[in-house]
Amino acid sequence: DAKTTQPNSMESNEEEPVHLPCNHSTISGTDYIHWYRQLPSQGPEYVIHGLTSNVNNRMASLAIAEDRKSSTLILHRATLRDAAVYYCILSQRGGSNYKLTFGKGTLLTVNP
Amino acid sequence: DTAVSQTPKYLVTQMGNDKSIKCEQNLGHDTMYWYKQDSKKFLKIMFSYNNKELIINETVPNRFSPKSPDKAHLNLHINSLELGDSAVYFCASSQPVPINSPLHFGNGTRLTVT
Repeated sequence: DAKTTQPNSMESNEEEPVHLPCNHSTISGTDYIHWYRQLPSQGPEYVIHGLTSNVNNRMASLAIAEDRKSSTLILHRATLRDAAVYYCILSQRGGSNYKLTFGKGTLLTVNP
Repeated sequence: DTAVSQTPKYLVTQMGNDKSIKCEQNLGHDTMYWYKQDSKKFLKIMFSYNNKELIINETVPNRFSPKSPDKAHLNLHINSLELGDSAVYFCASSQPVPINSPLHFGNGTRLTVT
């Protein structure tokens, strides 16, 4: 299975940018890179996903390395509400079906 | 309107009992999932159904039986509950190919087996 490696925890200050790294050196050519986050006592929430090019949406930006072996989720201005566990996930294909396998994630703490 | 809703939110029961968790989605998605999050916070897929058909079964004990009466519902029945079944169970839905379609999760059912 293609796996991801993330730091266990990171800390940021409110209104500062946050760069959350993810290594996925065994990524295959058809794997998409997904990011989800889980706020306390809630289910995971989709953040962003991409294949090769950098992606932007209203929540965050995703920067993907040229060799696709790593990526970075960028929160442009962290707020207290962004404190959560952030999961970097590769889609895995088993036959005609895809599944997302969650790892340990990075616990992001945002200081006021 | 809640997109993916699970009931109950909390479930406390004794070992050996049989219990069910219900899940409904109003997003018109064809695919639904059950995930289990244990005390160490690992989130593991258990089952995936596409249009009422079982697609993924991740070596879950036979005591766990998902049932999908229609594509908007995926219920989880657990027989002969064990202490190790204590966890938070999340239901999710997506379009058939999650590679390009985000998963939408419910807020979980916290199961405690005593």
